[in-house]
Amino acid sequence: ETGVTQTPRHLVMGMTNKKSLKCEQHLGHNAMYWYKQSAKKPLELMFVYNFKEQTENNSVPSRFSPECPNSSHLFLHLHTLQPEDSALYLCASSQEADSGANVLTFGAGSRLTVL
Amino acid sequence: LAKTTQPISMDSYEGQEVNITCSHNNIATNDYITWYQQFPSQGPRFIIQGYKTKVTNEVASLFIPADRKSSTLSLPRVSLSDTAVYYCLVGDSGYSTLTFGKGTMLLVSP
Repeated sequence: ETGVTQTPRHLVMGMTNKKSLKCEQHLGHNAMYWYKQSAKKPLELMFVYNFKEQTENNSVPSRFSPECPNSSHLFLHLHTLQPEDSALYLCASSQEADSGANVLTFGAGSRLTVL
Repeated sequence: LAKTTQPISMDSYEGQEVNITCSHNNIATNDYITWYQQFPSQGPRFIIQGYKTKVTNEVASLFIPADRKSSTLSLPRVSLSDTAVYYCLVGDSGYSTLTFGKGTMLLVSP
């Protein structure tokens, strides 16, 4: 498999549940990212990992917890979410984060619904 | 952080050439210009990137004038499947290359 793969594609959870989103890239990239896209809103950058180190946490609530065990895998752990957290969560990767010629490759996204 | 301005929406018909202009008046010397396309409920897809003059690939062309204060994405002979949101990003590193604005919603009609 090539590119950026996200699982699950769809997730419905209650506010007290704990779930995780998974992202895997097969491109040999060193940077990975989580974005949130709510209905009819621009993409919001949530987290940046460059060479497995978190370099950006864009004021994201602690109920979202990222994990990057290696350069190919990225997780977003979800706990006690709110209905307003319902959105499309997109994972992306690139060669490295600190480059002007940075080109992102996105996954298909995980559609999250919080009841 | 170079701020970009794009039209909110554009309309076109199949077979026409579409030009979407992005203004970035405070672009810095080391900034690159990158365009992405996004279909509903999908992640954005890289289209083209340039620094100056003209860049062309199999999908589009990117025109950048000498002062680099704007750039124009040109889509030749659009089809219905080109209906999407197009984003212009400008930056030289880190956060600036990762920030998406509202983009331009292109609607192609038969």
